[in-house]
Amino acid sequence: AQSVTQPDIHITVSEGASLELRCNYSYGATPYLFWYVQSPGQGLQLLLKYFSGDTLVQGIKGFEAEFKRSQSSFNLRKPSVHWSDAAEYFCANQAGTALIFGKGTTLSVSS
Amino acid sequence: EAGVAQSPRYKIIEKRQSVAFWCNPISGHATLYWYQQILGQGPKLLIQFQNNGVVDDSQLPKDRFSAERLKGVDSTLKIQPAKLEDSAVYLCASSLDTNPPVGSGTGVPYNEQFFGPGTRLTVL
Repeated sequence: AQSVTQPDIHITVSEGASLELRCNYSYGATPYLFWYVQSPGQGLQLLLKYFSGDTLVQGIKGFEAEFKRSQSSFNLRKPSVHWSDAAEYFCANQAGTALIFGKGTTLSVSS
Repeated sequence: EAGVAQSPRYKIIEKRQSVAFWCNPISGHATLYWYQQILGQGPKLLIQFQNNGVVDDSQLPKDRFSAERLKGVDSTLKIQPAKLEDSAVYLCASSLDTNPPVGSGTGVPYNEQFFGPGTRLTVL
């Protein structure tokens, strides 16, 4: 069965510092991969997605992610974190016609 | 453009009681999803509708959960009777259309899922 693993449950980053959130997927064929953000009391918002082509994808709010087939990874990055980025981040993989989500990484931003 | 609406936002019930959640998708969206998000986990798909037909309900606990989308617009998810382990956030999402399976090569544009704010259910 397909699965998505987010190894880090909670990460704290200083405001202005760079961020990398890890995601590993398991699926034999070309995966469709996504990163979502969930702020408290809000629904999930799509940050970016990867289907094929350029392995570095740009998303909203200054986020980017890099697909590495050799490592089965799709890590999310941001060069400079803002306090408003504090939220929960979910990596997802499309399975059939629906999405399989990882357990999420909670990002805290310290001043 | 209005987003996905859900009500109520919060619900507290005793175990063995019944509860219903309502979702109104974005206008014109044919596909509607219900997800269950248990604390500390990612959302898990319960059921997917295409208009008023079920596409996937393989992970819906059918002995206690039911869902309908009779007119192909808004939808109701019901739990009867509720158990303690049903405590979770229930998310509704909608997309313009159902996405083809990965690798099907149809070349159609991806239909993004838009999520509502969720209903937080606590079962005591």
